[in-house]
Amino acid sequence: EAEVAQSPRYKITEKSQAVAFWCDPISGHATLYWYRQILGQGPELLVQFQDESVVDDSQLPKDRFSAERLKGVDSTLKIQPAELGDSAMYLCASSFLDRNSPLHFGNGTRLTVT
Amino acid sequence: DAKTTQPNSMESNEEEPVHLPCNHSTISGTDYIHWYRQLPSQGPEYVIHGLTSNVNNRMASLAIAEDRKSSTLILHRATLRDAAVYYCILRDHGSSNTGKLIFGQGTTLQVKP
Repeated sequence: EAEVAQSPRYKITEKSQAVAFWCDPISGHATLYWYRQILGQGPELLVQFQDESVVDDSQLPKDRFSAERLKGVDSTLKIQPAELGDSAMYLCASSFLDRNSPLHFGNGTRLTVT
Repeated sequence: DAKTTQPNSMESNEEEPVHLPCNHSTISGTDYIHWYRQLPSQGPEYVIHGLTSNVNNRMASLAIAEDRKSSTLILHRATLRDAAVYYCILRDHGSSNTGKLIFGQGTTLQVKP
C-alpha cells in the first residue's frame, strides 16, 4: 500500500537555527496537510494545501514558519529561527479532494530544539 | 468548528469487545463523524466514518445515536495491537469549507492480556 514519506525521521537542532522537513504524499492526492503534535496532545493543523495553493494557514506562526508545495506534489515545511517550544512531532498527511477520502499520515519528523 | 468530548482513558481485556464513546452535541447537518487512531511512534491512521447510519468495516463498527449527538466506536475483539489513542473528530463535508480534521485529546486505550 502506498505511503506518505517524510524525512528526516529525527532532527536535533540548536535554537535560532533553521530547520526544514520534507513530505512526499501519496500519488494523486491533491490535498496535503502539515500537523504539529506536542507530546501528550493531539495533532494541531498548521497548513493545508490543495494542489499548490494554501487553503488554510490560520494556525501557522508565519513569523518563523513557512510551507510550500511548488509543483503541487511534494512539500517542505521550514522553521527559521527554531525556538525551544518548537520541539514536537511534525506530521504530514495527504488525501483525495473527496471529503469521504481518509487522510493518510506519514510517521512524522521528531524535532528536538536544544 | 464543532467539538467532541471523549474519556481520557479506557482499559480493556484482550479478546473482549471495546466500546469507545464520543459526545458531539453541537454537531451540524454537514458534519460526518470520523475516527482515527494513533499507535505509539506512528502517525494517525483512519479507522471509520459515518453520517447517520451505523457503519461497519474490517477494523471496527461505528454506532451513531439517532439524534447524532453521540457515537460509539466498537472494536469487536480487542488485541494488544489495538492499544492506541483513539480520536473522534467531526469533519465538515460541506463545500464551503476546507474539510480539515481538528484533533482533540482522544482516548488512550489500554489492552490487558
